[in-house]
Amino acid sequence: AQSVTQLDSQVPVFEEAPVELRCNYSSSVSVYLFWYVQYPNQGLQLLLKYLSGSTLVKGINGFEAEFNKSQTSFHLRKPSVHISDTAEYFCAVSDWVNTGFQKLVFGTGTRLLVSP
Amino acid sequence: EAGVTQFPSHSVIEKGQTVTLRCDPISGHDNLYWYRRVMGKEIKFLLHFVKESKQDESGMPNNRFLAERTGGTYSTLKVQPAELEDSGVYFCASSQGGTGYREQYFGPGTRLTVT
Repeated sequence: AQSVTQLDSQVPVFEEAPVELRCNYSSSVSVYLFWYVQYPNQGLQLLLKYLSGSTLVKGINGFEAEFNKSQTSFHLRKPSVHISDTAEYFCAVSDWVNTGFQKLVFGTGTRLLVSP
Repeated sequence: EAGVTQFPSHSVIEKGQTVTLRCDPISGHDNLYWYRRVMGKEIKFLLHFVKESKQDESGMPNNRFLAERTGGTYSTLKVQPAELEDSGVYFCASSQGGTGYREQYFGPGTRLTVT
């Protein structure tokens, strides 16, 4: 069975500082990996995804993540955060299946709190 | 293009009552998913429709939950009778049909509080 671990429930950081949100997964098969963001009072929005190819993936709003198969990790990074990045971030995994639909398995989320 | 919409945004009911949540997917999306997040825990898959057919309902907690998608358009999720542990945020997502990766677009969720 697949699982996702986000060890940090909350990450406080000052504006313009770099940030890394950690995500580790377990799976016995090839996977797709995702980061979703939920801003206050909004739905989940896809930030970036790894399907195949380059292990460094770039997403929206200056975020990037690196797929590390040997460490089963998919950490999210941003070199300089803004107040507007304050949100909850979810890492997710799904089986690599070519059926057109994927059951997402999520982590427990990490709240990023950016202060001035 | 309108996104995924969910109604109501918030529902407060008493234990034993019935509640029906509604999800309107993006027009033309064949795949529709329901997920639930309970008390700050992980978001968990409940079930998946392809058009009007249930493809995978392995995540449904028990038979108090009934999901339907009549005509392959909007979907409803009924909880009857509601229990305290059903409180949480219920998310709906939709994606296009076809093979290969299809991005899931999420609605804002319905926050259900059972007292």
